[in-house]
Amino acid sequence: AQSVTQPDIHITVSEGASLELRCNYSYGATPYLFWYVQSPGQGLQLLLKYFSGDTLVQGIKGFEAEFKRSQSSFNLRKPSVHWSDAAEYFCAVAENRDDKIIFGKGTRLHILP
Amino acid sequence: GAGVSQSPRYKVAKRGQDVALRCDPISGHVSLFWYQQALGQGPEFLTYFQNEAQLDKSGLPSDRFFAERPEGSVSTLKIQRTQQEDSAVYLCASSFTARGKETQYFGPGTRLLVL
Repeated sequence: AQSVTQPDIHITVSEGASLELRCNYSYGATPYLFWYVQSPGQGLQLLLKYFSGDTLVQGIKGFEAEFKRSQSSFNLRKPSVHWSDAAEYFCAVAENRDDKIIFGKGTRLHILP
Repeated sequence: GAGVSQSPRYKVAKRGQDVALRCDPISGHVSLFWYQQALGQGPEFLTYFQNEAQLDKSGLPSDRFFAERPEGSVSTLKIQRTQQEDSAVYLCASSFTARGKETQYFGPGTRLLVL
């Protein structure tokens, strides 16, 4: 069965610093990969997705992610974080044949002023 | 409306009580998904509709959980004889096409607390 692992439960970075959130997946074929953000009281919002093609994917709010098949990873990056980026971030994978999305347990991002 | 809406936003139920949670997807969206998000966890898939057809209910945890979308628009998730372990946020999502890997738009969720 496929799975998604986000090894970091909490990450704290200073405002203006760079950010990388880790995500590893377990899946036999080329997966469909997603990063979602969930702010308090808000629904999940899609940041970016990878289906095929260029392995560096640009998303909203200045985020990007890189698909590395050899490492089974899809890490999320941002060059300079803003206080408003404090939220919970979920990596997710979708199966090929059906449409179920499997989410990781999330990484909570804290921003220091 | 502009987005997916869910009601109620909060629900407190006594153990053994039945509850019904409503989801209004974005108008015209073919696919509708329900997820359960326990505290400190990621969302877990419950069930999927394509129009009015329930194509996947493999994530429903027990036969106490039932979902319907009779006219292919609004959906209701019903939980019978609620238990404390049912306490969670229930998220609804919809997508425009019948292919679920297209962007899913999530509602704000219904937070269910079973006492």
